[in-house]
Amino acid sequence: QKEVEQDPGPLSVPEGAIVSLNCTYSNSAFQYFMWYRQYSRKGPELLMYTYSSGNKEDGRFTAQVDKSSKYISLFIRDSQPSDSATYLCATTPSNTGNQFYFGTGTSLTVIP
Amino acid sequence: DTAVSQTPKYLVTQMGNDKSIKCEQNLGHDTMYWYKQDSKKFLKIMFSYNNKELIINETVPNRFSPKSPDKAHLNLHINSLELGDSAVYFCASSRPGGENTIYFGEGSWLTVV
Repeated sequence: QKEVEQDPGPLSVPEGAIVSLNCTYSNSAFQYFMWYRQYSRKGPELLMYTYSSGNKEDGRFTAQVDKSSKYISLFIRDSQPSDSATYLCATTPSNTGNQFYFGTGTSLTVIP
Repeated sequence: DTAVSQTPKYLVTQMGNDKSIKCEQNLGHDTMYWYKQDSKKFLKIMFSYNNKELIINETVPNRFSPKSPDKAHLNLHINSLELGDSAVYFCASSRPGGENTIYFGEGSWLTVV
């Protein structure tokens, strides 16, 4: 079993829709969670960072972590064509280590 | 100012050749990495260095050799390139403690023909 599982999609939504992207993870020791956005022919860029359970909001983006079910989500409100990218979730067990575990990414297309 | 920069961005080369990819970070991070991303977008760790010291060395053919002249640089040298080495290679860096997040370069697209 992979440490992080993510539905690869592809996901296609109309502009303005609310998008929900999800990952599950296997190890309850994971404490820190990240979402990355990767445009075509570019490197992954950090979008959101959260620690432990709860929600974190940044503009149209909300990251949610449910440690009881080992489930992490990224919500995008009022989606825009510029949000079209691959979204990767990631986690690490501590803030002092160098082991990062990535999902395989979900490809999102927002149709104008 | 690019935080993690790697060169070249695109590289097309013949089987059997030797090539290098260079990486530099100006974030002051202590740890640097090489990841390989396959066609399904999965990021696989290859190597990790902390302050020039190798700390992660995954099961990678020994044709791949990383070199870290200082903590801001981590280069990847590949000998005797094979068709299966075609992939995107990402350099990354992180600073453990606080928000321990990893920052990626723009990637190097390697095509072996």
